[in-house]
Amino acid sequence: DAKTTQPPSMDCAEGRAANLPCNHSTISGNEYVYWYRQIHSQGPQYIIHGLKNNETNEMASLIITEDRKSSTLILPHATLRDTAVYYCIVHNNAGNMLTFGGGTRLMVKP
Amino acid sequence: DAGVIQSPRHEVTEMGQEVTLRCKPISGHNSLFWYRQTMMRGLELLIYFNNNVPIDDSGMPEDRFSAKMPNASFSTLKIQPSEPRDSAVYFCASSRYSGGHNEQFFGPGTRLTVL
Repeated sequence: DAKTTQPPSMDCAEGRAANLPCNHSTISGNEYVYWYRQIHSQGPQYIIHGLKNNETNEMASLIITEDRKSSTLILPHATLRDTAVYYCIVHNNAGNMLTFGGGTRLMVKP
Repeated sequence: DAGVIQSPRHEVTEMGQEVTLRCKPISGHNSLFWYRQTMMRGLELLIYFNNNVPIDDSGMPEDRFSAKMPNASFSTLKIQPSEPRDSAVYFCASSRYSGGHNEQFFGPGTRLTVL
């Protein structure tokens, strides 16, 4: 699976959009971009995934650049409960393993 | 569904003792994963099973670690003998793997402290 690069930490004001970037310049054509998050003292939780097109669900939106070398996870209206570590993972769905990197620690502030 | 169930939630033991961590995956899921999380090394995959068969155990640190999945609803991770450097949070996760998207559902973890 391709390696990802994320900023180690970010801050966001409550109620504002949180935009979390991820670089995956070595991604190959059959690899998906997955996002998970881990709230303190809990297990990681799936958020969203995509291949080429932008995706949206009840939790977030995923914007993937046309060349697929980077992506952005958007939490449209961040709340204090969104404070967590966010992991961007590039994964070939032919396999079953996810490799977690360091992630981005998002702090949502009042 | 109750989600992935892990026990115990906390375990404190002394160096040299045997430790057994338990996991009950979500009913209907056919893949099970054991992860370890520490501040220094982050979240690491130790081993995973598909249909109760171990597929990749390359993440198991050494022979002191062993994992079994005797049936679709139960798995154990055993450390014998335990050492202080094994102190970590151990997560179990399960998924319904069908060759495509497979969302992994994580349990609450077992916090292990080896004195």
